[in-house]
Amino acid sequence: DGGITQSPKYLFRKEGQNVTLSCEQNLNHDAMYWYRQDPGQGLRLIYYSQIVNDFQKGDIAEGYSVSREKKESFPLTVTSAQKNPTAFYLCASSRTGDNTGELFFGEGSRLTVL
Amino acid sequence: GQQVMQIPQYQHVQEGEDFTTYCNSSTTLSNIQWYKQRPGGHPVFLIQLVKSGEVKKQKRLTFQFGEAKKNSSLHITATQTTDVGTYFCAGPKAGGTSYGKLTFGQGTILTVHP
Repeated sequence: DGGITQSPKYLFRKEGQNVTLSCEQNLNHDAMYWYRQDPGQGLRLIYYSQIVNDFQKGDIAEGYSVSREKKESFPLTVTSAQKNPTAFYLCASSRTGDNTGELFFGEGSRLTVL
Repeated sequence: GQQVMQIPQYQHVQEGEDFTTYCNSSTTLSNIQWYKQRPGGHPVFLIQLVKSGEVKKQKRLTFQFGEAKKNSSLHITATQTTDVGTYFCAGPKAGGTSYGKLTFGQGTILTVHP
């Protein structure tokens, strides 16, 4: 089945540590995204990539980094510079070239900083 | 910047009652999308509206896009326990060509009492 796989589902981190969240898709989508979700809030865009080896900052990119070396993969690193990293992180992908932005989401990674 | 507001934040209904959530954007939208997130799950795309005044139905769900393309609503007739979850509206961010860059509303959390 085609879809988006995120790992790990749950992650605990000590303050000062960097962590990397994995996101892999087999939908053959060009565009990939990282959104952050906090309780009682909507989703906020962290980074997005429309093509391999290219990515742009979203609304809340500070303290995060990404790479897009392969079409299928878009890992997110939460660095120690991110002041409030505890959140639910959602990776998504979408088709490009048509007038739809329908997002296909992974199951998410829940990060807790201890 | 662009803002998308949703009301109400919470809605508790008895099974069989109707439910409506409203979405308002600070800017005119080229389209609006609706997503549903079950408790503990990830957002799942429901529908996209594109035309001014558009109305679409999916079984018991009715979606409307305002004439000015700045507001939208989702109405559920005769709610069922399977309707429980958070309903988000989302509109494309102004500018750019990546249609998956969305501004999400805060969501409406629907609880259905049997």
